[in-house]
Amino acid sequence: KAGVTQTPRYLIKTRGQQVTLSCSPISGHRSVSWYQQTPGQGLQFLFEYFSETQRNKGNFPGRFSGRQFSNSRSEMNVSTLELGDSALYLCASSLGQTLGTEAFFGQGTRLTVV
Amino acid sequence: QQQVKQSPQSLIVQKGGIPIINCAYENTAFDYFPWYQQFPGKGPALLIAIRPDVSEKKEGRFTISFNKSAKQFSLHIMDSQPGDSATYFCAASSTGANNLFFGTGTRLTVIP
Repeated sequence: KAGVTQTPRYLIKTRGQQVTLSCSPISGHRSVSWYQQTPGQGLQFLFEYFSETQRNKGNFPGRFSGRQFSNSRSEMNVSTLELGDSALYLCASSLGQTLGTEAFFGQGTRLTVV
Repeated sequence: QQQVKQSPQSLIVQKGGIPIINCAYENTAFDYFPWYQQFPGKGPALLIAIRPDVSEKKEGRFTISFNKSAKQFSLHIMDSQPGDSATYFCAASSTGANNLFFGTGTRLTVIP
């Protein structure tokens, strides 16, 4: 069974640009969550999608957005990039029907903003 | 405010030792407590998880101890090996929220 796939693995962008990251969950998983990991703030929840609907959102500015498609694949977008957006962005997938179902992470996308 | 507090920040043990990582939480609505292991350049991998209805859960060399009244839980790694050297994160979530609150991580080094 294939794991969670995130593309691209690495990105370098310039301040002010926008970026789109992609996540393909494990087959059969309907929930996709996104997390930002930085040395200073650790792992922080961005948002979660289930059946194409955003169910939960973390405390991030509106520049961070996401969506989920009918095949459960998800994208997140960051507009007007800032230097502080440099981070490892992780996607996690789970069955999603109830809480406590195991969440499996992808390898992440390393975003560097210069 | 950090919802889950984790200690220590780093830990060095000899091969065969039993490192213990501790976490504490305040939100009594939390009812799911997983531990993740992360190697450099990789995403976190689920190790083991526990719910508050049990006080201990063991899977292989990994054991979670859970103290509901103290709102604390810990990870023990029995017979630690150099390959266990990684960063470990505790986390917590509550039914219906489906998002994880992570501790700040513990960097474990197991010396051969």
